Amino acid sequence: RKEVEQDPGPFNVPEGATVAFNCTYSNSASQSFFWYRQDCRKEPKLLMSVYSSGNEDGRFTAQLNRASQYISLLIRDSKLSDSATYLCVVNPARGNTPLVFGKGTRLSVIA
Amino acid sequence: DTEVTQTPKHLVMGMTNKKSLKCEQHMGHRAMYWYKQKAKKPPELMFVYSYEKLSINESVPSRFSPECPNSSLLNLHLHALQPEDSALYLCASSQTATRGNSYEQYFGPGTRLTVT
Repeated sequence: RKEVEQDPGPFNVPEGATVAFNCTYSNSASQSFFWYRQDCRKEPKLLMSVYSSGNEDGRFTAQLNRASQYISLLIRDSKLSDSATYLCVVNPARGNTPLVFGKGTRLSVIA
Repeated sequence: DTEVTQTPKHLVMGMTNKKSLKCEQHMGHRAMYWYKQKAKKPPELMFVYSYEKLSINESVPSRFSPECPNSSLLNLHLHALQPEDSALYLCASSQTATRGNSYEQYFGPGTRLTVT
């Protein structure tokens, strides 16, 4: 089983749509969870850290379910500028252990 | 300020050349990282420095040589590279384990390397 699994997409959605990405991780001892977005030929940019209580930042909502080892990202009212690859990232232990990256989910928001 | 800078933005080098990639951050982070990213793949970790000491080397070939001159700077020295080493090289930094529980890594814009 891969350590971090994501649906690669692509997800093609119209502007204004709500879209949800899911991610599962295999290491139950994992400590920290993140969503990054990466535009074509650019660096990954931190979108959100994901907390057990769930967190929201504007149109973006992240959820963590430790029991199911599952992370989600919900984007409401999609904008053209949301088109990017979304990377699910897990820190498997405390401290500066190597992050484990999912392969990313490609989103295209269409006018 | 969450800025990590990298130079150069683009680099073309022959297989016999020696070149260096540079990374700088002024966020007070004491952990710095080198990643390699090929097209349509996630970043792959190469090295981790913690408090200016190499803490992780992910079995990277010796033609890649990292250096951390001080807490703000990270270099990657390149020598005798192969065409398959062509990729985007990303630097990142983060807080260290002694400060807080969140270890978000902040990435620089990367150096796009082509080996001919």
